[in-house]
Order: sequence, then C-alpha cells, then structure tokens
Amino acid sequence: DAGVIQSPRHEVTEMGQEVTLRCKPISGHDYLFWYRQTMMRGLELLIYFNNNVPIDDSGMPEDRFSAKMPNASFSTLKIQPSEPRDSAVYFCASTRTGLQETQYFGPGTRLLVL
Amino acid sequence: AQKITQTQPGMFVQEKEAVTLDCTYDTSDPSYGLFWYKQPSSGEMIFLIYQGSYDQQNATEGRYSLNFQKARKSANLVISASQLGDSAMYFCAMTPEGGNTPLVFGKGTRLSVIA
Repeated sequence: DAGVIQSPRHEVTEMGQEVTLRCKPISGHDYLFWYRQTMMRGLELLIYFNNNVPIDDSGMPEDRFSAKMPNASFSTLKIQPSEPRDSAVYFCASTRTGLQETQYFGPGTRLLVL
Repeated sequence: AQKITQTQPGMFVQEKEAVTLDCTYDTSDPSYGLFWYKQPSSGEMIFLIYQGSYDQQNATEGRYSLNFQKARKSANLVISASQLGDSAMYFCAMTPEGGNTPLVFGKGTRLSVIA
C-alpha cells in the first residue's frame, strides 16, 4: 500500500515568493495533519482536518499560511509571501477514525527560504 | 495541556547491547495514547510502537518494547540487540484517546550505535 505522499521533497525559494506544499494521505484515512519541524521549536502542529474539514488551525503561524483539503485524497499548505524564518521541514500525516490509531507520516518537504 | 519530556539529548550504545530511551509525560486526560517514532538521517518519521493508557501489558514490536509505568507517568523505549541502523533521532509523543488528535512531541533523543 502506498504511504503518505508529499511533494515536492525539497524546495528552495526566495523571500517573498509563494510556496505550495502538497500531500496525498493514505487511502481510507479521514484525518490529515500538517506538522512543522525546526531546530528551535521541534515538531509542532500547524493544522488538521477531519473529513476534509479543518478542525484546529491554531498552530498556523500567521495569515501568510493557509491550508486546504478540497477532497479526501489531496491537501495543500500554502505560504504567501514566504520568509526566511519559514525554513523548516513540513510533514503531512494521516490516520483513520478509531481508538489506538497510528498517525503515519509522509517523507516531508524540506523548505529553504533565502 | 499535554507535555512530553525527553531528558537525554544524546546517547551512545554498543552494537548488540540493549538501550533505554527515557520519556516522561504530563496530562490530565483520563485516557491517552503514547507513541515512539524514529527519524533517521534521511528525515522521514517512522512509527515504532504504541501504548494505550489502559493497556494492561507493555507493548512490544520486535526488538522494541515500551516500559510503561503509569503511576510514574513514564513510557520508556527499550531497544534490544542494537544495530548500526538504529542510529537515529527518537521521538516520544502522545495524544488523548489514541491517534485521532494531534500528536504532542518531545524534543527527541539522538541515539548513536557504535560498532
């Protein structure tokens, strides 16, 4: 079975540019999470969806960040305009409804904003 | 609010030896799930093992076992017969009620296995 798919795997952009990260969850999973990993803050939640509906976006840093899930098999995280402090690894993870269900992570997108 | 504490920034272990990675947690939730993930140098997050707060027995998955002490609020990961490929960052994490809510992660422990 295919795992969580993320693209691109690496992104280098200049400050002020728009960045779009993409995620395809595991088929049948109805929860999708976006996490960010930095040296300073570790792994932290940005936003998560259930059945394509955003449940908690309190971790989204500011208005420059937005996330959508137009259907059960696709989600995007957009940063506009990007800043150097957005440089991080962005992970998407998915799971299905139920107790004791594990979150499975994608390979991550390593973003560098110059 | 939930909190995970991993007090060992880095550890070394000899190949074929066992090693314990410490994890303590704090939560007021009556039930919760505890997870360990491995992050090798390639960067991906690999699920290792899960322990539910009401599980009577400690979880085991191959060479991985979780030493769960509820009264002490600890969920230490034990890796038996360490291999060079075990060298990685290890993260302890938790959620209330399992995996349908966001994971709260510790800072991680970097394990280095020495030949």
